[in-house]
Amino acid sequence: GQNIDQPTEMTATEGAIVQINCTYQTSGFNGLFWYQQHAGEAPTFLSYNVLDGLEEKGRFSSFLSRSKGYSYLLLKELQMKDSASYLCAVVADRGSTLGRLYFGRGTQLTVWP
Amino acid sequence: DTEVTQTPKHLVMGMTNKKSLKCEQHMGHRAMYWYKQKAKKPPELMFVYSYEKLSINESVPSRFSPECPNSSLLNLHLHALQPEDSALYLCASSQDEQGVYEQYFGPGTRLTVT
Repeated sequence: GQNIDQPTEMTATEGAIVQINCTYQTSGFNGLFWYQQHAGEAPTFLSYNVLDGLEEKGRFSSFLSRSKGYSYLLLKELQMKDSASYLCAVVADRGSTLGRLYFGRGTQLTVWP
Repeated sequence: DTEVTQTPKHLVMGMTNKKSLKCEQHMGHRAMYWYKQKAKKPPELMFVYSYEKLSINESVPSRFSPECPNSSLLNLHLHALQPEDSALYLCASSQDEQGVYEQYFGPGTRLTVT
């Protein structure tokens, strides 16, 4: 089976930095996505990591360690609009599950003024 | 155009009704997906179409019937649903199903079964 684990909830204040962790144990691995989802809306793509290291994109950065089965999403200079659910999703690469996304349960981030 | 559109936005149907959800993309993507999402839960994969052929069916009950008339359109036909099928139904597309390209999600159809 596939196991993707991330915290259920996190809170932070405007202007702060927050790190959302994701650990995974999957039968195969072909990359890890982070998506943002505001309540009642569709998930939107934030980042994709397939090699170890840090990918930076504006206020958001994502890190991957394949040997540790670990990723994090780093959000800097938090804004109220960053309040959303953040979904970690792993791409499997074995047999019939090729390309299938396995989602974590999502981390609900609340940003306070 | 990087948009996936879905209609209708909201749907209320009785357990004996037949209805269809529609999804469209014009990005030239060759993989299209149906997901079901319950409140405060992640999306659950239902079906994957690759090059207009069904490639993954996640053991979804037969009361859900997908159809891919062409490379831009994806339908989900609904019949004899149960109240527990009430959820947000998301359509997504990607360049292909290899998984190295991000999936673009539509806004979803909020389905209520009474």
